[in-house]
Amino acid sequence: AQSVSQHNHHVILSEAASLELGCNYSYGGTVNLFWYVQYPGQHLQLLLKYFSGDPLVKGIKGFEAEFIKSKFSFNLRKPSVQWSDTAEYFCAVNANTDKLIFGTGTRLQVFP
Amino acid sequence: DTAVSQTPKYLVTQMGNDKSIKCEQNLGHDTMYWYKQDSKKFLKIMFSYNNKELIINETVPNRFSPKSPDKAHLNLHINSLELGDSAVYFCASSPDLKAGVYEQYFGPGTRLTVT
Repeated sequence: AQSVSQHNHHVILSEAASLELGCNYSYGGTVNLFWYVQYPGQHLQLLLKYFSGDPLVKGIKGFEAEFIKSKFSFNLRKPSVQWSDTAEYFCAVNANTDKLIFGTGTRLQVFP
Repeated sequence: DTAVSQTPKYLVTQMGNDKSIKCEQNLGHDTMYWYKQDSKKFLKIMFSYNNKELIINETVPNRFSPKSPDKAHLNLHINSLELGDSAVYFCASSPDLKAGVYEQYFGPGTRLTVT
């Protein structure tokens, strides 16, 4: 069965620190990959997505993610976080089915 | 303009009651979903509908019954509520069935508390 792992459950950073959130999936075939963000009290919003092509994907608000097929990974990065990035981050994978499989989420807290 | 709306936003009820959550999207999308997010923030799909037709029905108790009167609406009715049903329920929509191709647009969520 497909699964998505986000090993960082809770990350605490100071403003201007660099961020990398891990995402690994278990599926050997073609995948489409997503990162969603959920700000406190709000609904999920798409940050970025990868379907094909350049494995380095740029999203909104300065976020990017790199697809490394050999590692089954799609890690999210941001060079300098802001207090407003405090949120829950979800990695999601689709592998030729009609549904998205979400990871368990990573809670990011950024302190000024 | 709200793209995907849900009502109510909060729902507090007692065990054994029956309740409904409504979802509407004004994006013209063909596909709608219900997700359950538990207390640990784990998000799991429950149902998906495409043009009023049930497509995905995960292992959800029969007490949960989705209804899609038209492709812009997907309501969730829950019978005989149990403590374990307490969660945040998110509705979502996408242009088409292919979950891997299209972004899903989420509603604001309904926080259900069963006492």
